[in-house]
Amino acid sequence: NAGVTQTPKFRVLKTGQSMTLLCAQDMNHEYMYWYRQDPGMGLRLIHYSVGEGTTAKGEVPDGYNVSRLKKQNFLLGLESAAPSQTSVYFCASSRGLDNPDPLEQYFGPGTRLTVT
Amino acid sequence: GNSVTQMEGPVTLSEEAFLTINCTYTATGYPSLFWYVQYPGEGLQLLLKATKADDKGSNKGFEATYRKETTSFHLEKGSVQVSDSAVYFCALSATDSNYQLIWGAGTKLIIKP
Repeated sequence: NAGVTQTPKFRVLKTGQSMTLLCAQDMNHEYMYWYRQDPGMGLRLIHYSVGEGTTAKGEVPDGYNVSRLKKQNFLLGLESAAPSQTSVYFCASSRGLDNPDPLEQYFGPGTRLTVT
Repeated sequence: GNSVTQMEGPVTLSEEAFLTINCTYTATGYPSLFWYVQYPGEGLQLLLKATKADDKGSNKGFEATYRKETTSFHLEKGSVQVSDSAVYFCALSATDSNYQLIWGAGTKLIIKP
């Protein structure tokens, strides 16, 4: 099992450009999450999904959109990148309700995004 | 509401020292409790967990005991190594936490040889 993978690992954007970060998991998990992590700060939840075709806002959703068209994939989009979105982005997944440890999260390796 | 409070870092220790990183929580019901570790340049990985009161989670020489009476889940290790240098996150999952883990702010641990 590859677990949770993220594409790309690094990216540099200019202000106003758009991009999509891809997260994939092969553990058949129901729930998926996107976080950002800034220097000296903890994790902040951007959006999450509790199943295929569903998405919900987290703590810091502004400037981001997500889609979960397939159970194994969770896409994070930046429509018009801003320097404030420079960060490291982590994707995670968990089994979901009606499973042991439903919210125990498994993380990807991260995507380092710089917006100039 | 649910919350997790961790001791602020960085925590700097010498190799072979005893480690304690404090974590206290507020939650309704009976949450599960987790410690995650993030090594430099990597994603988070689960270090240990406990799902009910008085459970002790352990892994790689680290231990934490779920204390409901003090609402705490302190991380301990008897003899740290340079390779333990990382950021440690305490987290909880509660039945009313809306499908999310509630995270502490993280504690950076620096071990000097």
